[in-house]
Amino acid sequence: ETVMTQSPATLSVSPGERATLSCRASQSVSSNLAWYQQKPGQAPRVLMSGASTRAPDIPARFSGSGSGTEFTLTISSLQSEDFAVYYCQQYNNWPPTFGQGTKVEIK
Amino acid sequence: EVQLVESGGGLILPGGSLRLSCAASGFAVSSNYMSWVRQAPGKGLEWVSIIYSSGTTYYADSVKGRFTISRDNSKNALYLQMNSLRAEDTAVYYCARGKSSNWYWEYWGQGTLVTVSS
Repeated sequence: ETVMTQSPATLSVSPGERATLSCRASQSVSSNLAWYQQKPGQAPRVLMSGASTRAPDIPARFSGSGSGTEFTLTISSLQSEDFAVYYCQQYNNWPPTFGQGTKVEIK
Repeated sequence: EVQLVESGGGLILPGGSLRLSCAASGFAVSSNYMSWVRQAPGKGLEWVSIIYSSGTTYYADSVKGRFTISRDNSKNALYLQMNSLRAEDTAVYYCARGKSSNWYWEYWGQGTLVTVSS
């Protein structure tokens, strides 16, 4: 199966700063990559699909890039509501697999 | 409005069985790719099972032969029958709707906790 590796495990960022999260696939997933945000006690929420297409109602401060095996999620200016855990997930190869998550915490 | 509401979780002994339900509204379960995704306490997300609109089903290796996904079109509901439960099956189980014919999920329920412990 395709192993997804996210880095860093934890990212400490001050509000208003930029956050850059990375996701690497063990084999090419083309652009079939999704990003999710999960807050404590809540279900995941899809942010991005196709590596760079924002889901409906997702603010423009979230952007995604990459293809093949290297992907990035950027939050341009962190807001208080953005502190959460972020997961990448590939849906190109069977079975669908998730990364282990990056926790974005307040610095 | 799309809604998914899971139920059926609880505390179960190792080796026991449990059936989870997911009541859907705002769309037809029969017309969508529906999945179960789980999350062990403090851990990441793991896809468990999928049922396609065609009725074809697939399972993660970790649950194959023990879990069965199904749906009731008349009730617009999704189910997960879990047998021979193990401690490592302890998790919050989410019902999720796939986006079009893709294997990623645009709508999620709130989850139901399954605890396998003696």
